[in-house]
Amino acid sequence: KAGVTQTPRYLIKTRGQQVTLSCSPISGHRSVSWYQQTPGQGLQFLFEYFSETQRNKGNFPGRFSGRQFSNSRSEMNVSTLELGDSALYLCASSLEGLGNTIYFGEGSWLTVV
Amino acid sequence: GNSVTQMEGPVTLSEEAFLTINCTYTATGYPSLFWYVQYPGEGLQLLLKATKADDKGSNKGFEATYRKETTSFHLEKGSVQVSDSAVYFCALRQAGTALIFGKGTTLSVSS
Repeated sequence: KAGVTQTPRYLIKTRGQQVTLSCSPISGHRSVSWYQQTPGQGLQFLFEYFSETQRNKGNFPGRFSGRQFSNSRSEMNVSTLELGDSALYLCASSLEGLGNTIYFGEGSWLTVV
Repeated sequence: GNSVTQMEGPVTLSEEAFLTINCTYTATGYPSLFWYVQYPGEGLQLLLKATKADDKGSNKGFEATYRKETTSFHLEKGSVQVSDSAVYFCALRQAGTALIFGKGTTLSVSS
């Protein structure tokens, strides 16, 4: 069974641009969440989608947005990029339920120059 | 709010040494607890989990026991290998909420 797939794996953007990252969850998983990982802040939760609805949201500015499609695939968008947005963006999927494991993709490495 | 505290690294060990990485948590109710591992340049992989008090999670020689009385979930391995060198994250999750991670502990094992 295929794991969580994220594209692109690596990208470089310029300040002020916007970026869209894509995530395909494990087949059958309806919950998709996004995390940002930086050396200084560690792993921070961005948002979670379930059945096309945002269910939880972390403490990030409105420049960070996401959506989920009917096939559970998800995208996240960052507008007006800042240098501090340089990070590894991790997508994760899970089945519904507290004890169910959250599985992570390999991540998208974003560098803002 | 909920939080996870894990020991600061880096932890440097020789091959075949015993490993302990401490993890304590603060949460209301009964969260599920996880250890994830991140190898250089990669995403997070689930190492083990426990969903209720006194559960022991185990995988690849690693073990951790959910201790409600001490709010702890310490990671142990009896004999580490060079291939275990990675960053280890302790995390908790409560119903309907996101994973909350500790800051991570870097383990370096030398031969």
